[in-house]
Amino acid sequence: QSALTQPASVSGSPGQSITISCTGTSSDVGAYNYVSWYQQHPGKAPKLMIYDVSNRPSGVSGVSNRFSGSKSGNTASLTISGLQAEDEADYYCSSYTSSSTYVFGTGTKVTVL
Amino acid sequence: QVQLVQSGAEVKKPGSSVKVSCRSSGGTFGSYSINWVRQAPGQGLEWMGGIIPFFGSANYAQSFQGRVTITTDESTTTAYMDLSSLRSDDTAMYYCARAGLAAAGTRPAFDIWGRGTMVTVSS
Repeated sequence: QSALTQPASVSGSPGQSITISCTGTSSDVGAYNYVSWYQQHPGKAPKLMIYDVSNRPSGVSGVSNRFSGSKSGNTASLTISGLQAEDEADYYCSSYTSSSTYVFGTGTKVTVL
Repeated sequence: QVQLVQSGAEVKKPGSSVKVSCRSSGGTFGSYSINWVRQAPGQGLEWMGGIIPFFGSANYAQSFQGRVTITTDESTTTAYMDLSSLRSDDTAMYYCARAGLAAAGTRPAFDIWGRGTMVTVSS
């Protein structure tokens, strides 16, 4: 199972919107609506930001409606609107697969200029 | 609030094995799987495998088949990850993470993570 493909880095100025893509295959991203997104700050464990393509977990600190997800075919996307300094982190997508396994994306470093 | 508490850092010799534990502080595992994800220094996340404690059935990533064994002890609500034939490139942070089961109506995403266990493989 190959890793899902993400851009290595994305940057934006405070207040802007950025979008991170996550491209897989018909056996993972395209198979089900079980794509999730994780934020990871240096030295910390990953944190769930989006599940089932576009749902935000409730009651989780730091997960605001500025984060949104979507999917088209074998590509999922995470959009961060109103970019803030604290959004600077690494972001990973993940998908459940048709083999009942999971696969992560290659990861994207978000820089707030 | 469920928390996953992992065992402490390990230093191992090449060729040896390591066993990392992950205890659920919130009671039974319920309708969830426990998964292991590793992250080498400066690298991305890699799913190693997972287990559904209710059924006792484990599933592994192809790249770890034959080298990793994931088990659980329901009496102590603890999951274990055993990695054998260690190499220097197994040096990484190992996380356990809970995921739901679509068939049980819980989301198949990693919603709760342990803090990680650093495993260093060095001669």
